[in-house]
Amino acid sequence: EDQVTQSPEALRLQEGESSSLNCSYTVSGLRGLFWYRQDPGKGPEFLFTLYSAGEEKEKERLKATLTKKESFLHITAPKPEDSATYLCAVQDTGGFKTIFGAGTRLFVKA
Amino acid sequence: DVKVTQSSRYLVKRTGEKVFLECVQDMDHENMFWYRQDPGLGLRLIYFSYDVKMKEKGDIPEGYSVSREKKERFSLILESASTNQTSMYLCATSGVGSPEQYFGPGTRLLVL
Repeated sequence: EDQVTQSPEALRLQEGESSSLNCSYTVSGLRGLFWYRQDPGKGPEFLFTLYSAGEEKEKERLKATLTKKESFLHITAPKPEDSATYLCAVQDTGGFKTIFGAGTRLFVKA
Repeated sequence: DVKVTQSSRYLVKRTGEKVFLECVQDMDHENMFWYRQDPGLGLRLIYFSYDVKMKEKGDIPEGYSVSREKKERFSLILESASTNQTSMYLCATSGVGSPEQYFGPGTRLLVL
């Protein structure tokens, strides 16, 4: 059964303190791994799709990487506006369903 | 940019009422999805549609139905609202060949 586990559940950082969020996944065949950002009371905002192990993508202070079993979202020198919940999700090659993790709530203090 | 809109941001209904939530997308995407999101349970798929008039059950379809008469619109229907359907409802779309989903702003539904 496809599964996505994110850690930690919550992360508190000082502004400028770099860190990483982890997403461990189990799928029979990976079609894509996705990262989303969700602000309170809003819908998730798409950030990245990663398709194969070794792939990396960057956007501003965020960098996503992928191995065969996990993905990391690295946040470099975060700012308070990076505070949000970050969701990881996977879709396997078998169909349309996307499995979401529970998310990591990130708090960045000025 | 993909734009996905939902008919209401907030909705308050009484137990037993019929509730319609509508989602409209402007990107000509084939696939549309309805999720609910609850604290501690994450995003759960209710129904999805990969073409007009086609629908597939997700993980939690009980108490819900859907309608897709036009490509750009996907409606979620609560036939007889119950308090355990109080939740945040999210619509999403994706295109053929691009597996990532794009979400609407969400509808926060309160059933009293």
